[in-house]
Formats: sequence, structure tokens, C-alpha cells
Amino acid sequence: AQKITQTQPGMFVQEKEAVTLDCTYDTSDPSYGLFWYKQPSSGEMIFLIYQGSYDQQNATEGRYSLNFQKARKSANLVISASQLGDSAMYFCAMREGRGNQGGKLIFGQGTELSVKP
Amino acid sequence: EAGVVQSPRYKIIEKKQPVAFWCNPISGHNTLYWYRQNLGQGPELLIRYENEEAVDDSQLPKDRFSAERLKGVDSTLKIQPAELGDSAVYLCASSFSGGFDEQYFGPGTRLTVT
Repeated sequence: AQKITQTQPGMFVQEKEAVTLDCTYDTSDPSYGLFWYKQPSSGEMIFLIYQGSYDQQNATEGRYSLNFQKARKSANLVISASQLGDSAMYFCAMREGRGNQGGKLIFGQGTELSVKP
Repeated sequence: EAGVVQSPRYKIIEKKQPVAFWCNPISGHNTLYWYRQNLGQGPELLIRYENEEAVDDSQLPKDRFSAERLKGVDSTLKIQPAELGDSAVYLCASSFSGGFDEQYFGPGTRLTVT
């Protein structure tokens, strides 16, 4: 069963507007972490934001925020005030378990975001 | 602080030939990961090291893939012999520990098998 689902293969957004990238996950482990990574055309994966399953508040990092809805098992990434440099592939990922007993990082299929001037 | 270093960046080989990829993690990072990313997909873990020990190699095709992390720092991933289906980007990542610490990725090695 697919554990991370990103249903938007591609998204367009106008420069300076906000955009939401969807991510849903599936796990029966009460302890897990959710990550978002950006992959520009250069290929390097860049860490953006992290949300722990026990965190009470939604994570924020600058223009990035994570809309965490635990009951719906969704962890959408919100990018505010989009910039041309935000054009890239975005991956949602999940890690289950605690500490070194935790499992591997599982990635979704990705969403390609294009920011239009 | 230097990031994760990988070499080579690109490699083109003929099928049945051997190939090796090298990774130097961020200084002080105990956990090292090798991922494979096929075109249009997210990365998939091949192997995870905690210091010198391979703690998760369940996804590594052991008939042709091997990896080592001598002295718990640099790591090498080898394929012998390569097959057409091995064409992909091979990403190395490191983190301070194997928990929920964020993983920092290198630029990857793009392998093309002809």
C-alpha cells in the first residue's frame, strides 16, 4: 500500500501568490515524522520543513508552513508569496518509529511547481 | 560548513560493466543513506548506515549491489554488473542521528547504462 500520496503531478502559481501542495499519508504507527523537500533542476534535495506526529502546532519555516491535519492524515505544504526560484519538484516524505528503531524515509511521487511571472 | 559531497556527478557505462559511487557526508553525521531515484519518482532507500554498521539494507539488490562505509565516514556504493534498469540518480544523504533528524542530500550521481 502506498504510504505517501501526492495527487498533484503539476501545479502552476502566479508570482507573489500563495500555493498549497497536497500530501496524504498512511501509517498505523503513532510516532512518525513528516518532511517536505524541494528538488530543483540541479537535482539536489533541499530540506524545507518537518512536522512530528506529536507536535501540537503546525510547523513554519519562513515562507513555508505545514498544514497538519492528523485525523485526516494530511500534511499539506503552503508556500506564501511565491517566487520564481520556487519552481521545482516538491516531495513529501514520512518516517515511522522512534530513534534508531525508526524505519526508512518514504517519499511520495512529487509535485512539480511552476511559478509564472 | 561543507555539504554532502558525491562523485562522480555523471557516469555513462555499458551494461555488464562495474561502476562505483563515492559519498562524503557532513562532518559529524553518524547516519548515512544511499537512495535511488528513478525518473519521475521519489527517492527510494537502498541502504542506511549507523556509523560503520548497515542497519537497513533490505532494499539493496544484493546480487549485484554492494556498499561499504569504512571508518564510519566515507561510503562507496558499487554495482557489478550494471543492467539497463539501473539507470537512475543515486543520492547520498546524511543526518546527525537515525531518528527524526532532517537528512541532508548530496547532488547525486546520474547513472546511464547503455
